[in-house]
Amino acid sequence: ETGVTQTPRHLVMGMTNKKSLKCEQHLGHNAMYWYKQSAKKPLELMFVYNFKEQTENNSVPSRFSPECPNSSHLFLHLHTLQPEDSALYLCASSRAGTGPSGANVLTFGAGSRLTVL
Amino acid sequence: GNSVTQMEGPVTLSEEAFLTINCTYTATGYPSLFWYVQYPGEGLQLLLKATKADDKGSNKGFEATYRKETTSFHLEKGSVQVSDSAVYFCALSDRGGGADGLTFGKGTHLIIQP
Repeated sequence: ETGVTQTPRHLVMGMTNKKSLKCEQHLGHNAMYWYKQSAKKPLELMFVYNFKEQTENNSVPSRFSPECPNSSHLFLHLHTLQPEDSALYLCASSRAGTGPSGANVLTFGAGSRLTVL
Repeated sequence: GNSVTQMEGPVTLSEEAFLTINCTYTATGYPSLFWYVQYPGEGLQLLLKATKADDKGSNKGFEATYRKETTSFHLEKGSVQVSDSAVYFCALSDRGGGADGLTFGKGTHLIIQP
């Protein structure tokens, strides 16, 4: 399988549940990202990992916990979420560090549609 | 901080019409600029990019020119098709090739009617 794969594609959970989103890339990239996509709002960058190290956390609430065990896998652990956390969560990857003339091109997965009841 | 402003839709056109979706940006330094497209039920796909002033990105009949003097990167297509119906996102990156989460606009929903 090629590209960026996200599972599950759809998830419904209660506010007291604990669940996880999974992302896997088969592109040999070294950087991975989580974005939140809500209606009528720009995509919100949540976390950035470069060579498994977290390099960016955009003031994301602690009820979202990322994990990057290696450059090919990225998880988003969810617990005690709120209804306003319902959104499409997009994972992306890129080959960062290509030099000053390179543009950081992100490849996105299809997303995980999360509904919090 | 960085920001991207693009026209919000929906934009509705007839097939074979000329398309322009405006995009302007605010950034420090010399960002790279991108257009991504999102079809229903899918993630974002890179449509085209430009890395320096006066560069023109092009793909699938779409074009956009990096205009530093007007801080713009407008998307154009001469003759749209029904299959072009999607949401289009303008984005920028200001860290060269480093691991940089792009800054996106809100997206423009394009609807092409037969």
